[in-house]
Amino acid sequence: LAKTTQPISMDSYEGQEVNITCSHNNIATNDYITWYQQFPSQGPRFIIQGYKTKVTNEVASLFIPADRKSSTLSLPRVSLSDTAVYYCLVGDHDNNNDMRFGAGTRLTVKP
Amino acid sequence: GAVVSQHPSRVICKSGTSVKIECRSLDFQATTMFWYRQFPKQSLMLMATSNEGSKATYEQGVEKDKFLINHASLTLSTLTVTSAHPEDSSFYICSVVQGGETQYFGPGTRLLVL
Repeated sequence: LAKTTQPISMDSYEGQEVNITCSHNNIATNDYITWYQQFPSQGPRFIIQGYKTKVTNEVASLFIPADRKSSTLSLPRVSLSDTAVYYCLVGDHDNNNDMRFGAGTRLTVKP
Repeated sequence: GAVVSQHPSRVICKSGTSVKIECRSLDFQATTMFWYRQFPKQSLMLMATSNEGSKATYEQGVEKDKFLINHASLTLSTLTVTSAHPEDSSFYICSVVQGGETQYFGPGTRLLVL
């Protein structure tokens, strides 16, 4: 079973900030949190990864509270091209469980 | 990050034939590669872990004699769908892990079995 829980879908409008939260209540000490983006008929693409607190790159920010039982992917000022499925994965890759995807969140950005 | 390619990008075959899909790590030596299958509107399902120089590890419910995996070098893993049937039609994706925890995925192979 997947170790993560995300909303199935979200809608937004161009220019808005989008926050997608992932619950991972059973996260282990050595686990990292990684988010991927997938467009139709393409392989997933790495977005961002973090262990605790906040991580920011040119694409997104990742907020992780102190208890690490959840994480929030923040996409600033989304555009139509951000319409995709977003997956969060939790693990340290020493265990194949970490490779199992949850259902993901289907984000639809509207004009 | 690692660059991963897959070949072919799409393939159509007749029922009963076998199809080989290649996954190449172009700039990274991958001792481990992963194979996923994805049906329309569904998430990725891990099929197996491909280990260079040894047998692949299959997920529960995935037939190892049906989906043959060969990881003969640090840059190439192959997945052969043997005696393919229409229910095997799917999107097959491979990945490598670099930097400990980050997966890099290939572009995927669309298989259609008629």
